[in-house]
Amino acid sequence: GENVEQHPSTLSVQEGDSAVIKCTYSDSASNYFPWYKQELGKRPQLIIDIRSNVGEKKDQRIAVTLNKTAKHFSLHITETQPEDSAVYFCAEGYEKLTFGTGTRLTIIP
Amino acid sequence: DSGVTQTPKHLITATGQRVTLRCSPRSGDLSVYWYQQSLDQGLQFLIQYYNGEERAKGNILERFSAQQFPDLHSELNLSSLELGDSALYFCASSSLSGYQETQYFGPGTRLLVL
Repeated sequence: GENVEQHPSTLSVQEGDSAVIKCTYSDSASNYFPWYKQELGKRPQLIIDIRSNVGEKKDQRIAVTLNKTAKHFSLHITETQPEDSAVYFCAEGYEKLTFGTGTRLTIIP
Repeated sequence: DSGVTQTPKHLITATGQRVTLRCSPRSGDLSVYWYQQSLDQGLQFLIQYYNGEERAKGNILERFSAQQFPDLHSELNLSSLELGDSALYFCASSSLSGYQETQYFGPGTRLLVL
């Protein structure tokens, strides 16, 4: 993959509300889509990933959806909590990972 | 703690100089990846090594080089440094060579070129 667009660049939501981050990609060969969370001053950590043979995956309050036809995938966080505040990166992979530019999510108590 | 270690944590140097960043992967991991993260930028993939061999290459400048040693630790060499090379450099490791493997990131080396 060569190009991943991630939106929005910043997002503020009230605690308890949902947050959605979207990414689009251009390489139709891409078949792996991970999401990483990076807290301030810390390393990126994988929070969820999805492969191209499924359309949705959930892990507690986090879900990822994939639309291969439209070449976009989204991260959904429900019942947001203050500790969800971080920068989130999407990535798409075919032979290597290409990362989006990140979304700074702020949860307002 | 991911189990991936990087040294040094911070590095301050001058333009034109050369530095070496070191990464030790998690125990048992064979792949090492290097990334550059500039201020307010995403993660730019530089290069991947698997079991001592170069596996994939990203947007790595010719002034940069890397290698993976028999004990699987890796070094990223940055030469003829420019102001724009100031960034956070992460390495990550995974158990196998595939890009679909979960990558575990180290704490990063913050490089400042003055």
